[in-house]
Amino acid sequence: NAGVTQTPKFQVLKTGQSMTLQCAQDMNHNSMYWYRQDPGMGLRLIYYSASEGTTDKGEVPNGYNVSRLNKREFSLRLESAAPSQTSVYFCASLSSNSAGELFFGEGSRLTVL
Amino acid sequence: GENVEQHPSTLSVQEGDSAVIKCTYSDSASNYFPWYKQELGKRPQLIIDIRSNVGEKKDQRIAVTLNKTAKHFSLHITETQPEDSAVYFCAASQHDYKLSFGAGTTVTVRA
Repeated sequence: NAGVTQTPKFQVLKTGQSMTLQCAQDMNHNSMYWYRQDPGMGLRLIYYSASEGTTDKGEVPNGYNVSRLNKREFSLRLESAAPSQTSVYFCASLSSNSAGELFFGEGSRLTVL
Repeated sequence: GENVEQHPSTLSVQEGDSAVIKCTYSDSASNYFPWYKQELGKRPQLIIDIRSNVGEKKDQRIAVTLNKTAKHFSLHITETQPEDSAVYFCAASQHDYKLSFGAGTTVTVRA
């Protein structure tokens, strides 16, 4: 049981380049999330998907797009990366039966030059 | 939306002493308050949570208290050990599927 798997773990981009962060969970969870973590700012929600087929904006959605490909997979795309998007990105999933516990992936460290 | 403030941002304690982290929230409709622990270079993991119909919850050396009237909740760690050194995040939500996190507290336990 891998839990939540996200790729890549590390990525360096130049300003203006695009990339997609991939996330998959094997726990049959309904809801999936993308957070970014920056020093002194905690975990900020970028986008979430409460169920397959739906996506919604979180606190900081500008510059990002998401796709809930199926129940297992939820990807985050940066269309034109900016230095302000340098961060650690976490994917997470939540089962409606798990009393609210978020299960996080290992994180993806993105640097935009 | 919900706004969660967390204090202090850093906390250094002697091994064996207690540590207390406090959080306030803005939305009186919030009803779920989890705490996550993140060790260096690792993913955040849930350590304890409390719902608004409960005032206090304990799990071994950790406890969480909730004051709905004042809209604040706290994490208490007793008899701290070196493995308690980590970043701790509080969070709040109205619905379980959308959490708002505090900025985090870096706890260092001195041997």
